[in-house]
Amino acid sequence: EIVMTQSPATLSVSPGERATLSCRASQSVSSNLAWYQQRPGQAPRLLIYGASTRATGIPARFSGSGSGTEFTLTISSLQSEDFVIYSCQQYSNWPPTFGQGTKVEIK
Amino acid sequence: QVHLVQSGAEVQKPGASVKVSCKASGYTFNTYGITWVRQAPGQGLEWMGWINTDSGKTYYEQKFQGRVTMTRDTSTTTAYMELRSLTSDDAAVYYCARKGCTGDCYILDYWGQGTLVTVSS
Repeated sequence: EIVMTQSPATLSVSPGERATLSCRASQSVSSNLAWYQQRPGQAPRLLIYGASTRATGIPARFSGSGSGTEFTLTISSLQSEDFVIYSCQQYSNWPPTFGQGTKVEIK
Repeated sequence: QVHLVQSGAEVQKPGASVKVSCKASGYTFNTYGITWVRQAPGQGLEWMGWINTDSGKTYYEQKFQGRVTMTRDTSTTTAYMELRSLTSDDAAVYYCARKGCTGDCYILDYWGQGTLVTVSS
């Protein structure tokens, strides 16, 4: 199965600053990559699919890029509600697999 | 508006089974598959499989083959996931999620609130 590796595990950023999260696949997944946001005690929420397409209702400060094995989620100006956990998921090969997550914390 | 509402928390003994339900509303149930994903404490998300809600055909991740059964009831727009022979490694929050695309595509666009399964003697 394809292994998804996210870095860093924890990212410390000040409110209003930019956050850049990375996700690497152990083999090419083309653009079959999604990002999810998860608040404590809540279910994941789809942010991005197709590596760069925002899901319905997702603010424009969230953007995704990359293809093949290297992907990036960028949050342009962090709001208080953005300090949570983000996970990537590949859906190119069966079974779909998730990264371990990056926690974005307040610096 | 799409909603997936799951059944409540469960406490089961090792070796027992658990059955979690997922009631869907706000869309045509048999148009989208239902997937099951679990998350152990402090861990990442783990794919378990999905059910085609139209045909009832199931697709299980190999790790769970022989121990999991996913079903659906179209009359009540409810999906079910049963996991047997529970061990402490199965303690997790179990989520259902809508497979928001057709074909060989696994984008999960709506999620249930999660069901905590505790395995304890």
